[in-house]
Amino acid sequence: GQNIDQPTEMTATEGAIVQINCTYQTSGFNGLFWYQQHAGEAPTFLSYNVLDGLEEKGRFSSFLSRSKGYSYLLLKELQMKDSASYLCAGHLSNDYKLSFGAGTTVTVRA
Amino acid sequence: DVKVTQSSRYLVKRTGEKVFLECVQDMDHENMFWYRQDPGLGLRLIYFSYDVKMKEKGDIPEGYSVSREKKERFSLILESASTNQTSMYLCASSPTGAGTEAFFGQGTRLTVV
Repeated sequence: GQNIDQPTEMTATEGAIVQINCTYQTSGFNGLFWYQQHAGEAPTFLSYNVLDGLEEKGRFSSFLSRSKGYSYLLLKELQMKDSASYLCAGHLSNDYKLSFGAGTTVTVRA
Repeated sequence: DVKVTQSSRYLVKRTGEKVFLECVQDMDHENMFWYRQDPGLGLRLIYFSYDVKMKEKGDIPEGYSVSREKKERFSLILESASTNQTSMYLCASSPTGAGTEAFFGQGTRLTVV
């Protein structure tokens, strides 16, 4: 699979903004997913980027730079319920399978 | 509401036992996947299937096999369970094509003693 790197942990205050970075190998890369996983639950889809640029979905935005092999997930107006693990996953062109990073655990404090 | 259902949330098995983990999806998806999730390692792909009776090895297939006799069901088999297979196992499905959203089951936490 691809090498996908993301920070292990991040802590932020309620109402703040947090940016979770993800880097990957660019060779053959096609698109990048972000998933959210609360403790003890299944991962759920947040976003998919295949083109360069920023995609906004409410409080969550995802950015992709294909040439730099870089993505980030931006969480705005943090709420306590945003405390979760955020998984970055990439796939190669015409490939069904995803390669996941180890996940970033975000803790939101009051 | 889309659904991927795994047969057990928690399992405890003995070393050397043959273990079956079952996964059923009701979305008529072509692709199905088995991952294991371990702290610090993230999700690692064990096997996947893009059609009935088709299977392909993922990144860590050793010690596992799979079966897909029907489109909706994808089974993971541990031929002879070992303690290093203690993990959280996640099943997922997605529609045909690359880059389609995967839907995950709740996971099975397997402990091998």
